[in-house]
Amino acid sequence: SAVISQKPSRDICQRGTSLTIQCQVDSQVTMMFWYRQQPGQSLTLIATANQGSEATYESGFVIDKFPISRPNLTFSTLTVSNMSPEDSSIYLCSVGQGDGELFFGEGSRLTVL
Amino acid sequence: ILNVEQSPQSLHVQEGDSTNFTCSFPSSNFYALHWYRWETAKSPEALFVMTLNGDEKKKGRISATLNTKEGYSYLYIKGSQPEDSATYLCACPTNAGKSTFGDGTTLTVKP
Repeated sequence: SAVISQKPSRDICQRGTSLTIQCQVDSQVTMMFWYRQQPGQSLTLIATANQGSEATYESGFVIDKFPISRPNLTFSTLTVSNMSPEDSSIYLCSVGQGDGELFFGEGSRLTVL
Repeated sequence: ILNVEQSPQSLHVQEGDSTNFTCSFPSSNFYALHWYRWETAKSPEALFVMTLNGDEKKKGRISATLNTKEGYSYLYIKGSQPEDSATYLCACPTNAGKSTFGDGTTLTVKP
């Protein structure tokens, strides 16, 4: 198992601004992922955060909009850039085990006005 | 991209009722299926990790079955309690660790 601390837990932002979400894990992990849940929709994978190299983005997500850092095996950040109301979501950091089971942070609930 | 579907979308039951919901997934190239419980203001947590056809897992009043040949899993809750109120998610991971989630079933148990 892993304990994941994520912050901020919630924020209200203005259109056009950017917000960086931080994710800290209590142990070194190889696989770290960022998910999003828009209102009424399922958890959707944004990208895999790779340590020491560029993140791997899923279809529909691009680095300019969601830049990700992974400076070491315990920490990652996700930035939501140039926000619009459509970016209002819960953003979740997660780490994976070998069998695919995921451990999640408590999420960052973002509201864009 | 996997297509993982859950039904029903929401469920309202009385305390003490038993209930069940369904997760369907592509039966080809199956790797594993996970059930998660997501309570409001908390993080999703894994309930069951299921890998073999015919698997049955149980944790207290909650159990799950798996049919990989026909591509479905059932989650059962016996004698529902208000603390069971949550969104129940199923997910299919790949061997690369990425998971595709269903939309979830939101359960509300009324006292």
